Amino acid sequence: EDQVTQSPEALRLQEGESSSLNCSYTVSGLRGLFWYRQDPGKGPEFLFTLYSAGEEKEKERLKATLTKKESFLHITAPKPEDSATYLCAVQAGGATNKLIFGTGTLLAVQP
Amino acid sequence: NAGVTQTPKFQVLKTGQSMTLQCAQDMNHEYMSWYRQDPGMGLRLIHYSVGAGITDQGEVPNGYNVSRSTTEDFPLRLLSAAPSQTSVYFCASSRDSVANYGYTFGSGTRLTVV
Repeated sequence: EDQVTQSPEALRLQEGESSSLNCSYTVSGLRGLFWYRQDPGKGPEFLFTLYSAGEEKEKERLKATLTKKESFLHITAPKPEDSATYLCAVQAGGATNKLIFGTGTLLAVQP
Repeated sequence: NAGVTQTPKFQVLKTGQSMTLQCAQDMNHEYMSWYRQDPGMGLRLIHYSVGAGITDQGEVPNGYNVSRSTTEDFPLRLLSAAPSQTSVYFCASSRDSVANYGYTFGSGTRLTVV
């Protein structure tokens, strides 16, 4: 069964304190792994798509990496505005439109 | 540039009532989907469409109907509301099936069934 597990459930950081969020997945033929950011009361906002092991993508203070079993979202020198829930999702092979989401990591960055 | 627009933002229904959640996108995206988000469960796919006139079931379709008469609109109908359908509903659209450009989500409809 296709599955996505995110850890930790919640993470509190001081401004400037770098850390990583984890997304472990089990899927039959990965077509893509996605990272989204979700602010309270809003819909998820697309950050990255990763397609194959070894791939990395960066956007400002965020860097996403991918292995055959997991993905990491590295946050370097976070700022309070990075506070949000970060969602990971996978698209399985043969599934034209279905994303399987994890339950997310709630990140709080304190000034 | 509106993106994906969902209405209403909030709704309270009584058990057994029916209603339609509206979703419209102005990006000419072929792929549209409905997800529900519940605490501790992540987003789950209800129904999806790969183009006008084509719809299919997702992971949790029971109690919901959809239709896609135009590229722009993808309404979600609750046939007979139940408390288990209390959730936040998100509509999403994408340019292609692999979502190379990411899915664009609406801001959600928070539904409470009493």
